[in-house]
Amino acid sequence: NAGVTQTPKFQVLKTGQSMTLQCAQDMNHEYMSWYRQDPGMGLRLIHYSVGAGITDQGEVPNGYNVSRSTTEDFPLRLLSAAPSQTSVYFCASSYSAGTTRSGTQYFGPGTRLLVL
Amino acid sequence: EDQVTQSPEALRLQEGESSSLNCSYTVSGLRGLFWYRQDPGKGPEFLFTLYSAGEEKEKERLKATLTKKESFLHITAPKPEDSATYLCAVPPGKGSYIPTFGRGTSLIVHP
Repeated sequence: NAGVTQTPKFQVLKTGQSMTLQCAQDMNHEYMSWYRQDPGMGLRLIHYSVGAGITDQGEVPNGYNVSRSTTEDFPLRLLSAAPSQTSVYFCASSYSAGTTRSGTQYFGPGTRLLVL
Repeated sequence: EDQVTQSPEALRLQEGESSSLNCSYTVSGLRGLFWYRQDPGKGPEFLFTLYSAGEEKEKERLKATLTKKESFLHITAPKPEDSATYLCAVPPGKGSYIPTFGRGTSLIVHP
């Protein structure tokens, strides 16, 4: 199993540009999520999905869109990049989100995004 | 609203110097707790799940314990390769799908 994969590993954008961060998992997990990690702020949840076709907002959703057309893929779209979106983005998946017994999250390697 | 606080924010140890990391939480009913390890430039990696107060888990030099209000990650005789950021998290509460992470403890072990 490849686990959780993310592309690209690093990206530089100019303010106003759009892009899609890709995330895929091969563990047949129902729950997938996107976090951003900034120094001193810890992990903050952007959007999550509890299954194909179902998405919802996390703590910091503004400026980001997601969709979940398949169980495997959960792309994150930046609509119009801003310098405040400079961060490291992690995708994660788990069997479910609701309990400890099935809520262990598996994280991807991250995408480092720099918005100029 | 669930809250998770980790202390200290940063910890420097000499190789072989044992210590503990703390994760305290305020939740509406204890639902267990996760510990993760994050190496620089990488995603968090799962270490332990603790399901109920009084439970302990061990892995090599790490031992995690859980009470009703906090969890400790004890590091015995650490080695430089134990240097990483350690994160704790509580699973979502009833009706929620959002876990709560602490901000982490950055551990550096000097040879």
